[in-house]
Amino acid sequence: DAKTTQPPSMDCAEGRAANLPCNHSTISGNEYVYWYRQIHSQGPQYIIHGLKNNETNEMASLIITEDRKSSTLILPHATLRDTAVYYCIVRVPDYLQGAQKLVFGQGTRLTINP
Amino acid sequence: EPEVTQTPSHQVTQMGQEVILRCVPISNHLYFYWYRQILGQKVEFLVSFYNNEISEKSEIFDDQFSVERPDGSNFTLKIRSTKLEDSAMYFCASMPRTGGTYGYTFGSGTRLTVV
Repeated sequence: DAKTTQPPSMDCAEGRAANLPCNHSTISGNEYVYWYRQIHSQGPQYIIHGLKNNETNEMASLIITEDRKSSTLILPHATLRDTAVYYCIVRVPDYLQGAQKLVFGQGTRLTINP
Repeated sequence: EPEVTQTPSHQVTQMGQEVILRCVPISNHLYFYWYRQILGQKVEFLVSFYNNEISEKSEIFDDQFSVERPDGSNFTLKIRSTKLEDSAMYFCASMPRTGGTYGYTFGSGTRLTVV
């Protein structure tokens, strides 16, 4: 089973920042936090990942709390194309245990409104 | 940007028939996966494949399922005798190698409809 908790749905206005929370209170010291999204019925798309420092790339920012028990994915200027289901997944990095499966939960259905 | 390519995008088959879903992973990737998603449900892991053998498989991946990498580029999922409950989106994914903290690259999926 997934080791994360996410709200089932969220709404955000176009052009505003979308902040998606994730709780992972049982995360272990060597587990990373990964975010993926799934637009309609397409294949999941990797967004970003992090261990304990905040991370930013061209798609999003990831803020991880100091105790690592929760994180927030930030889409800084949401567009209609960001409407999707967003998945927060914790896993041990592959360099420790070899490539492993992803365990998907239900995710957060984010709707961007015009 | 490199892509994982899946064909066909939609396949309709009769119950009891064999079906082969095809995937072309990214060329320098070494780890390959199949996932499925029944309509309205979670994305579920089926199988992982590395170095020409199965690394891990789920309970869903029973004797009716098999995977193959026949020619070094294609990665196929075969369902020998399809059931109605095999109707789902099937996603192929690949990853470059271990030794890092990479994300997966997923294909756009094959919608399998068993009638």
